[in-house]
Amino acid sequence: KAGVTQTPRYLIKTRGQQVTLSCSPISGHRSVSWYQQTPGQGLQFLFEYFSETQRNKGNFPGRFSGRQFSNSRSEMNVSTLELGDSALYLCASSLGGQGDYGYTFGSGTRLTVV
Amino acid sequence: AQTVTQSQPEMSVQEAETVTLSCTYDTSESDYYLFWYKQPPSRQMILVIRQEAYKQQNATENRFSVNFQKAAKSFSLKISDSQLGDAAMYFCAYRRAGTGNQFYFGTGTSLTVIP
Repeated sequence: KAGVTQTPRYLIKTRGQQVTLSCSPISGHRSVSWYQQTPGQGLQFLFEYFSETQRNKGNFPGRFSGRQFSNSRSEMNVSTLELGDSALYLCASSLGGQGDYGYTFGSGTRLTVV
Repeated sequence: AQTVTQSQPEMSVQEAETVTLSCTYDTSESDYYLFWYKQPPSRQMILVIRQEAYKQQNATENRFSVNFQKAAKSFSLKISDSQLGDAAMYFCAYRRAGTGNQFYFGTGTSLTVIP
């Protein structure tokens, strides 16, 4: 079966712009989580969506937002980009039910802010 | 907040030999999961092995096994018969049981396999 698909793989944006990243989960998975990976801060949780509702949120400013569509695909948006937003953004999908720990990660979107 | 600590930024091992990666964590929860993920240059996080905290028996997946010491909050990964394809960044991760809970990752250990 197809894995978790993240698009685009690479992105270069200018400071002050906004960006939208996409994540298509494994078919049947209803939960999508987003993580930011940087050399300095490591892997940090952004938010998790389940059945189109944000179920959990990390400690990031309001410039970071997300949403999930009825087909479980998710997007995350970063507005007013800063140089420090340069990172690998990973999403992970899972069934999302009680006790579920079967998360599958995508290959990420590498965002560079110049 | 939960913390996960990997004290070995880099490790190396000869091909066919055994290596152990260390991980400690801090939590006040009693029901949780622990994981080891591998991240090769392709960037995808690949699950290596997982352990349920309520299980005393250490998890094993082929050449990969863990030493789970719940009281000491220690969760080390042993890779036996190391192969060139094992070279990658390895992350230890913690996740509280229940729905919608996030992963807490360690800072990673870069493993080099020497031919």
